[in-house]
Amino acid sequence: ETGVTQTPRHLVMGMTNKKSLKCEQHLGHNAMYWYKQSAKKPLELMFVYSLEERVENNSVPSRFSPECPNSSHLFLHLHTLQPEDSALYLCASSHWLAGVTDTQYFGPGTRLTVL
Amino acid sequence: AQKVTQAQTEISVVEKEDVTLDCVYETRDTTYYLFWYKQPPSGELVFLIRRNSFDEQNEISGRYSWNFQKSTSSFNFTITASQVVDSAVYFCALSSSIQGAQKLVFGQGTRLTINP
Repeated sequence: ETGVTQTPRHLVMGMTNKKSLKCEQHLGHNAMYWYKQSAKKPLELMFVYSLEERVENNSVPSRFSPECPNSSHLFLHLHTLQPEDSALYLCASSHWLAGVTDTQYFGPGTRLTVL
Repeated sequence: AQKVTQAQTEISVVEKEDVTLDCVYETRDTTYYLFWYKQPPSGELVFLIRRNSFDEQNEISGRYSWNFQKSTSSFNFTITASQVVDSAVYFCALSSSIQGAQKLVFGQGTRLTINP
């Protein structure tokens, strides 16, 4: 595997289900990100992890719960979602060093549909 | 607050035409980075270019070229001799440093359709 991978690619779930999205990066990066892309809105940053610590939480509802067990893996745990949470969820990773801005590389996304 | 505006929601051209995608940004940072990403129908955002605020030289990569003008806060993207494979949604983004990482502020995207 190379780059950033995400599983599953497609997910359909009911509002009472619990599911998890998985992201894995093979680039040796130390920062990982979750973005949400809805049909009518620009890409929205949800969470940022740097050196496995959460450094940003953009007022995301608690029904979304991120987890970063190590610098290569990032999860997004989902529970009691709403239909408006249906979107493409994109994971990205980058190298982070103080004072240096590096490029974020994205995975293919998980297309989530909440019924 | 930081903001990126891509005023063109959709553009449709015939193959081999040149096309320019506009990007205007707002930031109070003195040091910042600008990016362009391509999103084909498969969904993955593909990195195209990164430019820092101190480098206003235009850049050319094959059929792609970028025009960065700090005076007008614009970072426009031109595709020369467009091809059907260039059809995608293109996003302009602006970086912002946060503690321990960075974040990107994206424009709304421009959907580009190249017709044969």
